[in-house]
Amino acid sequence: KAGVTQTPRYLIKTRGQQVTLSCSPISGHRSVSWYQQTPGQGLQFLFEYFSETQRNKGNFPGRFSGRQFSNSRSEMNVSTLELGDSALYLCASSLDGSPNQPQHFGDGTRLSIL
Amino acid sequence: QKEVEQDPGPLSVPEGAIVSLNCTYSNSAFQYFMWYRQYSRKGPELLMYTYSSGNKEDGRFTAQVDKSSKYISLFIRDSQPSDSATYLCAMSRRYSSASKIIFGSGTRLSIRP
Repeated sequence: KAGVTQTPRYLIKTRGQQVTLSCSPISGHRSVSWYQQTPGQGLQFLFEYFSETQRNKGNFPGRFSGRQFSNSRSEMNVSTLELGDSALYLCASSLDGSPNQPQHFGDGTRLSIL
Repeated sequence: QKEVEQDPGPLSVPEGAIVSLNCTYSNSAFQYFMWYRQYSRKGPELLMYTYSSGNKEDGRFTAQVDKSSKYISLFIRDSQPSDSATYLCAMSRRYSSASKIIFGSGTRLSIRP
């Protein structure tokens, strides 16, 4: 069974640009969550999607947005990039997002802002 | 005070040693406890998943939950250089969603050959 797939693996952007990251969950998983991981802040929750609807949102500015498609694939968009957005962005999927269904992570997209 | 505290390390032990990794937490409502292993340039990989108190064993790994002390542990027996990674603890309440999973900051572990 294929795991969570994230593309691209690496991205280099400059301040002010926008970026779109993609996540394909494990087959059959309908909940997709996005996290930002930095050395200083650790793993921080961005948002969760389930059945094409954003179910929860973390404490990030509106520049961070996402969506989920009918096949459960998800995209995350960051507009007007700032230097502080440099991080590893992780996607995790689970069957339905409930706590008795553990999350499985992809290998992330490493975003560097110059 | 953070809800979940985890010593960042680094922790360096010789090959073959027993490793003990720990997290403490403050929210007594946490019921689900997880340990993830993260290699450099990789995403976290789920190692152990337990519900409520007690022990769970999987090969060389044992997860232990002590809810009375609000303390969880991961033991690695016969440690190997391939166990060198960052270990993250995570936990959540019973009636919650993915957004309510709280992660520790991770402990960097190095196994010396």
